[in-house]
Amino acid sequence: DAGITQSPRHKVTETGTPVTLRCHQTENHRYMYWYRQDPGHGLRLIHYSYGVKDTDKGEVSDGYSVSRSKTEDFLLTLESATSSQTSVYFCAISGQGPSGANVLTFGAGSRLTVL
Amino acid sequence: GESVGLHLPTLSVQEGDNSIINCAYSNSASDYFIWYKQESGKGPQFIIDIRSNMDKRQGQRVTVLLNKTVKHLSLQIAATQPGDSAVYFCADLDSGGSNYKLTFGKGTLLTVNP
Repeated sequence: DAGITQSPRHKVTETGTPVTLRCHQTENHRYMYWYRQDPGHGLRLIHYSYGVKDTDKGEVSDGYSVSRSKTEDFLLTLESATSSQTSVYFCAISGQGPSGANVLTFGAGSRLTVL
Repeated sequence: GESVGLHLPTLSVQEGDNSIINCAYSNSASDYFIWYKQESGKGPQFIIDIRSNMDKRQGQRVTVLLNKTVKHLSLQIAATQPGDSAVYFCADLDSGGSNYKLTFGKGTLLTVNP
């Protein structure tokens, strides 16, 4: 997956527990993103980062926080997991596609189940 | 609100046939369109993109057609192979001004029968 590693790949946790998902890139890209993917929905942006310590909210940011202390690492934290946060989470970095579009390269995903 | 959607949620084809996956969009300000392929258990993978000032772009065995008049986008896969079985989804990008917005469709499942 083009230099993007997500961990853990699978996690089962209980409601109310904190969870941190990690995204590590070796591409030295400035922009990094966290998306969630759920049946019946397209990919939805949770948070993104445009540099070290520079982050902003996406369309579904409630219940999530992020941190980026190094260019290569972008962490997604669920402070108190809820069942509605059961999902597959994808990290992405962006680069320019052949036509000039901002094209995302995704990691392999982290499947989170909140019981 | 504005959204990107797909006409067909599933598509089943025979190996060797050509496949056409369709997508409708509503944001007339979108200036790029992107197709992704997602195999089971993997992250989405970029296939091809097209800028809004073009109506056709070709890649390796794939062609994207853009019809801005009816706000329609399609992905054509030539000589479909079993390895093409995946979910395909389009995305539209509005990169103008300060409202940079990338919207993903929900996806079409392509099944290739041997």
